[in-house]
Amino acid sequence: AQKVTQAQTEISVVEKEDVTLDCVYETRDTTYYLFWYKQPPSGELVFLIRRNSFDEQNEISGRYSWNFQKSTSSFNFTITASQVVDSAVYFCALSALLSSGSARQLTFGSGTQLTVLP
Amino acid sequence: NAGVMQNPRHLVRRRGQEARLRCSPMKGHSHVYWYRQLPEEGLKFMVYLQKENIIDESGMPKERFSAEFPKEGPSILRIQQVVRGDSAAYFCASSPGTPWESGANVLTFGAGSRLTVL
Repeated sequence: AQKVTQAQTEISVVEKEDVTLDCVYETRDTTYYLFWYKQPPSGELVFLIRRNSFDEQNEISGRYSWNFQKSTSSFNFTITASQVVDSAVYFCALSALLSSGSARQLTFGSGTQLTVLP
Repeated sequence: NAGVMQNPRHLVRRRGQEARLRCSPMKGHSHVYWYRQLPEEGLKFMVYLQKENIIDESGMPKERFSAEFPKEGPSILRIQQVVRGDSAAYFCASSPGTPWESGANVLTFGAGSRLTVL
């Protein structure tokens, strides 16, 4: 069975602080994909990053960085110098094979509500 | 280039009424997924459709819920005889097709339809 755990329900930081959002996953697949999505207060889901299980290189995109560690089944997300506009719910997700075996669908964690205070 | 379009954005129904939620995928995308987000929770997979075919509906409740993706027109998620527990945000996502079967593609999500059952 596939599972994604985001143990941090809510995090509050003051602007310009760094913050790390944790994500731990479980899967029996040898090939899988991990994602992060952002859901701002307006409600839509915004794609942030996709990482496949064979690529353990960390990635940096501006103030965002991701640490993928297969040994601990974790895919953590760090925001450096946080800003008020970063306030949102952040979801980690794992692509999982559907029971039909026909395709994959995303299994989401329960999300982390990040509040950045001015 | 319009993204995934969902309507209505907000829908209020009384118990026992029917709810119809529409989703037009991104141009060039032939695969549609529906997810449900209950309050304070992550998104849960409901159904995966291609044009005129339901590929996997393992996440759909067995009764009252149905989905279709006709040859012409949007995908529709239909909920009959709604109950208060159906109150949620319903998200549609699309992908261009076959590569998603390996988990490689990124799903593009719509802004969601928020159903409130009184």
